[in-house]
Amino acid sequence: TQLLEQSPQFLSIQEGENLTVYCNSSSVFSSLQWYRQEPGEGPVLLVTVVTGGEVKKLKRLTFQFGDARKDSSLHITAAQPGDTGLYLCAGGPGSAGNNRKLIWGLGTSLAVNP
Amino acid sequence: NAGVTQTPKFQVLKTGQSMTLQCAQDMNHNSMYWYRQDPGMGLRLIYYSASEGTTDKGEVPNGYNVSRLNKREFSLRLESAAPSQTSVYFCASRDGLAGANEQFFGPGTRLTVL
Repeated sequence: TQLLEQSPQFLSIQEGENLTVYCNSSSVFSSLQWYRQEPGEGPVLLVTVVTGGEVKKLKRLTFQFGDARKDSSLHITAAQPGDTGLYLCAGGPGSAGNNRKLIWGLGTSLAVNP
Repeated sequence: NAGVTQTPKFQVLKTGQSMTLQCAQDMNHNSMYWYRQDPGMGLRLIYYSASEGTTDKGEVPNGYNVSRLNKREFSLRLESAAPSQTSVYFCASRDGLAGANEQFFGPGTRLTVL
């Protein structure tokens, strides 16, 4: 069974601080996605990474896919209150898996205080 | 485009009552999904439909049935609601093309079973 472990589970920081969220697995994934979910809403895709070692930037957010495609990280620079939400990683199973279903992490709940 | 729409947004049922959650997407996506989201449990797949005319069980299908009415619509039915089915239910859709794993979510239905 493929699992994705996210850490930390909860994070409360002050505006302007930097933070990193991790998504780890012992399994290989064909792709790794990061979603953000705000209270009362459904998850919204932020980015997809597909190549080992790939780095993508979205304004103050930097996403990295591990070289072996088993892990990923999300780094936020100078966090703002608008970054508050639940961050979810989701993996597309490796070549032997059913690519129609994603494997989801449990999420990191981030609160950025003004 | 409205994306993925879900009705109702809120529902309260008594144990044993039945109801159908409706989901529609206007993105011409092939695949559609039903998830439930509970605190500490993350997103769990109930059923999915890889394409029109097909449905498959996910991680937690017991107590639910689904219908892929056409390419746009995918409904979830609770035949005899139980308190354990109190949750937030999300519908999602995906293009379904090879390598395109991104899922697009609706706003959710918040269900309470008394």
